[in-house]
Amino acid sequence: GAGVSQSPRYKVTKRGQDVTLRCDPISSHATLYWYQQALGQGPEFLTYFNYEAQPDKSGLPSDRFSAERPEGSISTLTIQRTEQRDSAMYRCASSLDRGPYEQYFGPGTRLTVT
Amino acid sequence: DAKTTQPTSMDCAEGRAANLPCNHSTISGNEYVYWYRQIHSQGPQYIIHGLKNNETNEMASLIITEDRKSSTLILPHATLRDTAVYYCIVSDTGTASKLTFGTGTRLQVTL
Repeated sequence: GAGVSQSPRYKVTKRGQDVTLRCDPISSHATLYWYQQALGQGPEFLTYFNYEAQPDKSGLPSDRFSAERPEGSISTLTIQRTEQRDSAMYRCASSLDRGPYEQYFGPGTRLTVT
Repeated sequence: DAKTTQPTSMDCAEGRAANLPCNHSTISGNEYVYWYRQIHSQGPQYIIHGLKNNETNEMASLIITEDRKSSTLILPHATLRDTAVYYCIVSDTGTASKLTFGTGTRLQVTL
């Protein structure tokens, strides 16, 4: 079936604007993750969902970042009042369930804040 | 999650085995060892994972020492397409689920 998809693939926004990124996981997957990846660095964990529940938000850098997965499938990551330091690749991944399962990553959304 | 230490970069000739080491001396009993790789700007790709025993799949083999303080990822016949950053990750994904990627090893496969 289809893999993890993300939209938009590229987003340029002005400082202070809000942005919302979307992730569409593999349909049978219960668990969905968001990561932030700066240029030249490995991905850094932001948050994850198990179905609709969000057990771990520890990686969200500030209260300007929030994520939702209201029906346990598609998820959105919203950044309010964007700052230049928010510029990064935002990657979504999904896995069959919590635990030692392979995480499948999407192509990412490249966010540039000007 | 336990910290991992990997060499910054390695070279390997095409057709030869690539052996990528990883130290994880503070690993705890319920933490798995995962390997992912990232080719250029693509999303990370899962390679293999293990708890105690050595593992093999169609992509690679994972050798974990008996004390579990280090491991080696083996790509048996490296090709140019295996040029990537390889991440060794230790995680108790039974409870934490998140992966902590670190900086990885940049493997360059050459002709």
